[in-house]
Amino acid sequence: KAGVTQTPRYLIKTRGQQVTLSCSPISGHRSVSWYQQTPGQGLQFLFEYFSETQRNKGNFPGRFSGRQFSNSRSEMNVSTLELGDSALYLCASSLTGLAGGVETQYFGPGTRLLVL
Amino acid sequence: QKEVEQDPGPLSVPEGAIVSLNCTYSNSAFQYFMWYRQYSRKGPELLMYTYSSGNKEDGRFTAQVDKSSKYISLFIRDSQPSDSATYLCVLGTGGFKTIFGAGTRLFVKA
Repeated sequence: KAGVTQTPRYLIKTRGQQVTLSCSPISGHRSVSWYQQTPGQGLQFLFEYFSETQRNKGNFPGRFSGRQFSNSRSEMNVSTLELGDSALYLCASSLTGLAGGVETQYFGPGTRLLVL
Repeated sequence: QKEVEQDPGPLSVPEGAIVSLNCTYSNSAFQYFMWYRQYSRKGPELLMYTYSSGNKEDGRFTAQVDKSSKYISLFIRDSQPSDSATYLCVLGTGGFKTIFGAGTRLFVKA
């Protein structure tokens, strides 16, 4: 079974630009979560999608948005990039994301974003 | 105060050593406890999970939870260079809320 894939793997942008990251979950998984990972803050939850609906959201500004398609693939968009947005963006999928998150989440390799 | 505190390290040990990785937490609502391992340039992968106080063993790994002290640990016996990675503790409540620790970087020297 193929794992979670994320594209692109690396990205360099400049301040003020916007970026779209893509995530393809494991086949059959309907829940997709996005995380931002930085050395100082660790892994921080951005949002979770299930059946094309945002079901949970972390404490990030509105510049961070996402969506999920009918095939469960998900995209994350960051507008008006800031230097502090430089991070590893991880996508994780699970079957349903229910039961308090006790399901195993399977992470992709991440997209490393550098904002100059 | 962060809800979950984890020493970022790095922690460097010789091959064969017993490694102890720890997290403390402040919210007594956390009901399940997990450890993820993240190799360089990879996403995290689930290593172990437990719901109750006490020890859970899986091969060379033992997860320990002390709910009264709000303290969780991961022990690695007979550590190997292949164990070199970042280890993240992850705590969750009965709802969707899941909090990741900052991760501890471990280096096992051959």
